[in-house]
Amino acid sequence: EVQLVESGGGLAQPGGSLRLSCAASGFTFNSFEMDWVRQAPGKGLEWVSYISGSGSTIYYADSVKGRFTISRDNAKNSLYLQLNSLGAEDSATYYCVREGPTLFDHWGRGTLVTVSS
Amino acid sequence: SYDLTQPLSVSVALGQTARITCGGNNIGGKNVHWYQQGPGQAPVVVIHRDTQRPSGIPERFSGSNSGNTATLTIRGVQVGDEAKYYCQVWDGSSWVFGGGTHLTVL
Repeated sequence: EVQLVESGGGLAQPGGSLRLSCAASGFTFNSFEMDWVRQAPGKGLEWVSYISGSGSTIYYADSVKGRFTISRDNAKNSLYLQLNSLGAEDSATYYCVREGPTLFDHWGRGTLVTVSS
Repeated sequence: SYDLTQPLSVSVALGQTARITCGGNNIGGKNVHWYQQGPGQAPVVVIHRDTQRPSGIPERFSGSNSGNTATLTIRGVQVGDEAKYYCQVWDGSSWVFGGGTHLTVL
């Protein structure tokens, strides 16, 4: 069974940093592209970042470019998102998502990031 | 950046057909994917690549895409279909989601 479990969310101060992790299991992790998608409370889905299976290709949404860094450790079956220079607009639930045959076919439960002083 | 436009809400009577649109410039030239998100739940893909239905998704769900509009059609709407629906496309270097449409079953 495919499982994606996010962690690392919490309260951060404006201008602060957080590192999100996603532990993957139930599939051959290095064979799949992965994404982070976020959702502010009561709002819609916003794609944040993409990483290829090898980690060689990375894309970011314009809203996070230069502040967030996606990475993966295929030996540890883990996906990461480093969040820097956080602002209130970054407050959201962050989902770890697998890109499979049916696109975003598996989602984690999400980890909540709250940016507030 | 590429914009996708969805109606904020669609209402349909129980058992009738719901149509949720997703507008974008020449969206017919892109692959469109649709997700259903229930309250407090993670999204689930209901249609991918315009018309493809993943295993486990009822045949009542179908998709089409042409010109500047993609459409998710749900036939014989049930109470359990009440949710928010999002369309999605790849824009060359980014994924783009529509703003989402809340489907209300009357």
